[in-house]
Amino acid sequence: GAGVSQSPSNKVTEKGKDVELRCDPISGHTALYWYRQSLGQGLEFLIYFQGNSAPDKSGLPSDRFSAERTGGSVSTLTIQRTQQEDSAVYLCASSYRDGPTFLEAFFGQGTRLTVV
Amino acid sequence: QKEVEQNSGPLSVPEGAIASLNCTYSDRVSQSFFWYRQYSGKSPELIMSIYSNGDKEDGRFTAQLNKASQYVSLLIRDSQPSDSATYLCAVRTIYNQGGKLIFGQGTELSVKP
Repeated sequence: GAGVSQSPSNKVTEKGKDVELRCDPISGHTALYWYRQSLGQGLEFLIYFQGNSAPDKSGLPSDRFSAERTGGSVSTLTIQRTQQEDSAVYLCASSYRDGPTFLEAFFGQGTRLTVV
Repeated sequence: QKEVEQNSGPLSVPEGAIASLNCTYSDRVSQSFFWYRQYSGKSPELIMSIYSNGDKEDGRFTAQLNKASQYVSLLIRDSQPSDSATYLCAVRTIYNQGGKLIFGQGTELSVKP
């Protein structure tokens, strides 16, 4: 089907407000990843979901960040009480697992978050 | 030590030359290795994947993997100005339930006409 879809493409929010970012992975992909990319920086791992296993949350920078994945498909990344340092592009990727092998991951177009 | 390391560059090569991009990783049991290209303001796009030692060629691109040295590289032959971008190395580590995909900081490549 279609590629990874993220919404919204751009989000401007006031400091202290909560935001929700959505990711719709490629159909059939069991693995889903969230990354954050600040201007001119690399990809910072946030969280990873694989099937029905407990997510790997080791990259979440603070308890203001949380994510869930419903029905093994759509994922929502929530940032509570946003701060200016949360401003970045949030990227979602998904991949398929073929037995023990995880195949290529494909990215969505990202959500550019600006906290003012 | 970072899990995945790349020279940040910029790497500048003349048009038509071979560009060589390098990446080292720390997790000896890493399973899968990927190269992505990212143009400014765009999301990363997959160029190559490699899973076993040796070379893998796809058009002008060759990925090389040496698990003993924990080293993966990307060669771009006949470099074109349109190849100017940041190249990201990604490594899939295996622990817990496995599958975590970690990226290097990227190498900026500039191909001069």
